[in-house]
This record gives sequence, C-alpha cells and structure tokens, in this order.
Amino acid sequence: DQQVKQNSPSLSVQEGRISILNCDYTNSMFDYFLWYKKYPAEGPTFLISISSIKDKNEDGRFTVFLNKSAKHLSLHIVPSQPGDSAVYFCAASARIQGAQKLVFGQGTRLTINP
Amino acid sequence: DGGITQSPKYLFRKEGQNVTLSCEQNLNHDAMYWYRQDPGQGLRLIYYSQIVNDFQKGDIAEGYSVSREKKESFPLTVTSAQKNPTAFYLCASRPPGQGWNGYTFGSGTRLTVV
Repeated sequence: DQQVKQNSPSLSVQEGRISILNCDYTNSMFDYFLWYKKYPAEGPTFLISISSIKDKNEDGRFTVFLNKSAKHLSLHIVPSQPGDSAVYFCAASARIQGAQKLVFGQGTRLTINP
Repeated sequence: DGGITQSPKYLFRKEGQNVTLSCEQNLNHDAMYWYRQDPGQGLRLIYYSQIVNDFQKGDIAEGYSVSREKKESFPLTVTSAQKNPTAFYLCASRPPGQGWNGYTFGSGTRLTVV
C-alpha cells in the first residue's frame, strides 16, 4: 500500500522555466511534509518542508504548496537551473505504531535542458 | 565536520553469504534508520533505532538484522535469507526533538550480489 505517491517518474523542463513536481498521499494522519533532492550515488538532501497547518512555504526558488482537502502537495522550482537536475522525493511524517516515521514517495527524476 | 559515514560505497557479495554494511555518525543523534532504494520504489524502511540497545523492524525487515550497541553506530547485516539484496542502501539519523528538518542521510552503499 503506497501511502505517498509520485505518479510522474520523470519530468523534463527547459532551463529558466518553472518545474512542478507533484505528490499525492492517502493517510490523513500525515502532519508534516518534506521534499528531498538526490543525486546519483549520494544520499538525499533536505530541500524544503511544510506543516499540515500551512498551505504554502517558500524558500528562494523553491515553493511547496499543500492542498489538504485533495491530499496533494507540489514543489515549484522557478526559474529552473541545470543544477536542479536530480531525483526529487516527497516524504510525509506521521506517528505510526507508536513511533514517528517518514514515508517516502517513489521519486521523480527532473531533467533541466539548456 | 559532523556527518554520517557509510562504508563501503560499493560492495559485492556472492549468493549465500552474509554481509554487514557500516553506518557511523558523529552528530550525537539518538535515532538512526536504514532504508533501501530500488528503482521506481523510493526509499523503504528496513530497521530503525530510537536509542542505544533498542531497535524496531521497519516495513521490509525480513532477511536483515541490526545492532545498536553504541550511539554512533548502527550496522546492518544483509543475510542469505534476503531474497533480493541487490539495492542501494541508505542510513540516516535524526536529532531528538527537532522534527525531520535535521534528518541527515549518509551517501549510501550499493550492494550487488554476484
């Protein structure tokens, strides 16, 4: 049962344009959401997060939007740069079986074309 | 500099052999985690430990074992019972009381069964 889903395995965007990565979740108990960026053969690095009490969080070129009624969040990158090419994971946090756990989506590979 | 060190970066194992992946952190984090990443499946939780001498199974613990004898170390043993061990393994740690923004990943170990 995939509780966090990223339905687009890949996305290709032209440099300078907006990249929009999407993520859907099913568990209404999730209370915190994060986006991670991962380069090949490296561990994921934290990008941006949002609490379930907010609907938007912005950090420089990165903005995360949360639509709780639709159980959907998205990451906007604008303008997109070549260094943004990586795999992006969304993750959601909830207390599951007595412990705070993080559940990851499958990832979306973003390619920024010059 | 504080961080998480995973070794080795690449590991080859013959079928039927056990192998142990190392994870060491000098961040003074209490909680440590092991994930495996497979193409198209994101990061799946194998085991986690919230304090020394205590650990719990994650979502895909079968065929794996861990120990947590020291705060700094959380080694993962991939046993011969693991049916499909070839994957990219990630270790992570989290500081107490700081939510998930302080969640830190190692650079991973790629295990290949030959």
